Amino acid sequence: KQEVTQIPAALSVPEGENLVLNCSFTDSAIYNLQWFRQDPGKGLTSLLLIQSSQREQTSGRLNASLDKSSGRSTLYIAASQPGDSATYLCAVRPGIIQGAQKLVFGQGTRLTINP
Amino acid sequence: ETGVTQTPRHLVMGMTNKKSLKCEQHLGHNAMYWYKQSAKKPLELMFVYNFKEQTENNSVPSRFSPECPNSSHLFLHLHTLQPEDSALYLCASSPNPGDFYEQYFGPGTRLTVT
Repeated sequence: KQEVTQIPAALSVPEGENLVLNCSFTDSAIYNLQWFRQDPGKGLTSLLLIQSSQREQTSGRLNASLDKSSGRSTLYIAASQPGDSATYLCAVRPGIIQGAQKLVFGQGTRLTINP
Repeated sequence: ETGVTQTPRHLVMGMTNKKSLKCEQHLGHNAMYWYKQSAKKPLELMFVYNFKEQTENNSVPSRFSPECPNSSHLFLHLHTLQPEDSALYLCASSPNPGDFYEQYFGPGTRLTVT
């Protein structure tokens, strides 16, 4: 059974710092991995999607990497801003036909950027 | 805005009530999903619908009854709920089943069962 773990559960840093959020998964047979952002009481916004054949994806100040063999992904946020404060969720799409649409989520990292 | 809307945004109901959650997507997608997000637990998939047909039920209790009348609308009918069913219920959609594209999420319905 695929399990996704995110460390740390919460992170507080001063504005301007570069930071890394970690995600690990137990089964390396995945189709893709997706990073989401969730603001309090709201739905999820997709940030980056990395296919299993890719090593990284970039969007603006965000860079996500994927090491499928070791079951790890990182989300790098450069020059953090108070508006980046949110919960960041990592989700993997299992590499099996049955349940291939099922995203398996981690519990998230709650990020606070202090002005 | 993701193109996926959910109503109501907040719902308080007693254990004997019957209510329904509604999801609508304006993206022309053919797959729709219900997820449950409880405090201190990872987000969990409940149901998957592809082209209006249910293709996955993730061992969800029968007090949750989904309905998908067309590819744009998804309902979750609730009856005889328990306090532990209090959670944020999220709807999502994606272009086609089995594809590798992102799932687009709605804002969720915050459900409180008293």
